Amino acid sequence: AQTVTQSQPEMSVQEAETVTLSCTYDTSENNYYLFWYKQPPSRQMILVIRQEAYKQQNATENRFSVNFQKAAKSFSLKISDSQLGDTAMYFCAFMTPPYETSGSRLTFGEGTQLTVNP
Amino acid sequence: AAGVIQSPRHLIKEKRETATLKCYPIPRHDTVYWYQQGPGQDPQFLISFYEKMQSDKGSIPDRFSAQQFSDYHSELNMSSLELGDSALYFCASRPGTGPNYEQYFGPGTRLTVT
Repeated sequence: AQTVTQSQPEMSVQEAETVTLSCTYDTSENNYYLFWYKQPPSRQMILVIRQEAYKQQNATENRFSVNFQKAAKSFSLKISDSQLGDTAMYFCAFMTPPYETSGSRLTFGEGTQLTVNP
Repeated sequence: AAGVIQSPRHLIKEKRETATLKCYPIPRHDTVYWYQQGPGQDPQFLISFYEKMQSDKGSIPDRFSAQQFSDYHSELNMSSLELGDSALYFCASRPGTGPNYEQYFGPGTRLTVT
C-alpha cells in the first residue's frame, strides 16, 4: 500500500514571498503520478499541479512548481509570489495508473494549512 | 466547461436513517470515484466504478453501497447512519482514456448526522 506524508501541518508566508511545502511518499511501484491539490475554505478540491514519475523534468504551472526527487520519494511544492488567494489547505496525493493492480485511487497526505499574510 | 455535479449539497439526517448521494460526472467521463473527508482530515477513498462496474474498493463500510448507472451517474447509498458518518463526500470523475488520469472533483455533499 502507498503512503503519503506531509510533515508540516501549518505554514505561513508573507504576501509576495516564496514558500515550499514538503511531501514524501512510500511505494514499491515504478510508474505513478503525484499531485498537489488545493482546498480553500469553500472545500472545493482544486488541482494545482501534476507530475508523472517517468518524467525527470519538474512540472511548473505559473507560480507553482515542484521539486520531484524520485529516488528520495520526495515531492515538494514551491509557491512563488504568494497571493492572499493562495491561503488554503494543500494536499499532496499519489496515484498509480488504472492498469496497475493497485488501481487509480488517490491516496492523500494529511494536508498543510497555508496562510498568506498581507 | 461542464463540471462534476453532486446533489444534494447539504444533507441532515438522524442516526439510523438512510441517505442517498448522487453524482453526475463530466460528459464522456466513464470512471467515477467516491471519497469521504471527515472534519480536519484528508479525503479517504471509498469506491470507484469504470463502465458501470466496480473497479476498486477502499475503506467503505458494509452499511454503504454504491452503483453506477447506464448514463454513468453514480449513487452512494448509506444506511443505519452513525454520528461518525458526518463528513464531506466528494465524487470525482475522469475519462477512461487519456495521458493524465486526472480526477475532476465535484463540490461535495456535506452530510450531517444528528
